[in-house]
Amino acid sequence: AQSVTQLDSQVPVFEEAPVELRCNYSSSVSVYLFWYVQYPNQGLQLLLKYLSGSTLVKGINGFEAEFNKSQTSFHLRKPSVHISDTAEYFCAVSEYGNQFYFGTGTSLTVIP
Amino acid sequence: KAGVTQTPRYLIKTRGQQVTLSCSPISGHRSVSWYQQTPGQGLQFLFEYFSETQRNKGNFPGRFSGRQFSNSRSEMNVSTLELGDSALYLCASSFRDNPYEQYFGPGTRLTVT
Repeated sequence: AQSVTQLDSQVPVFEEAPVELRCNYSSSVSVYLFWYVQYPNQGLQLLLKYLSGSTLVKGINGFEAEFNKSQTSFHLRKPSVHISDTAEYFCAVSEYGNQFYFGTGTSLTVIP
Repeated sequence: KAGVTQTPRYLIKTRGQQVTLSCSPISGHRSVSWYQQTPGQGLQFLFEYFSETQRNKGNFPGRFSGRQFSNSRSEMNVSTLELGDSALYLCASSFRDNPYEQYFGPGTRLTVT
């Protein structure tokens, strides 16, 4: 089975500062990678996904992520965060698209 | 287009009871997956249904079961509830031809006392 590690459980960052949320996965086979965001009392919303092609993936709300196969990483970045980015972020991996493995989440808090 | 809906949103049960949760996918979606979300374990995959058939199953005890109806609506059932079953249960649906985009419902918050 796959495993996904989100290295930081909590990340505080000041408004308009850049942020990176780290994600590593365990797999030697081709995988598909995802980042989801969860706002309080809501379900998960897809931020971006990597299926193939360019290793730099752009998503919604100004987020982007880079797939690094040699390091089995898929870190999420945003150059300038806003208060509204405060939420829980989940990295996920899937081998065949029908079963997803999620990390334990990173709580991003944007400080005014 | 309406999103994924889950009912009820909140539920309180007592140990030993059973519970049924419902999920209505987005119109046209035939795949429905269920996840358990807890603070310590994050999201854990329970099972996935497609066209009324369970296609994948996670590592949960047999007390957790599910089914899917011909209209793609899905239910999950937990029997003999334990305190550790307290969690947010999320349902996600997707198109058959695009399994990589799951759309999540708001979840059902189950509290077992």
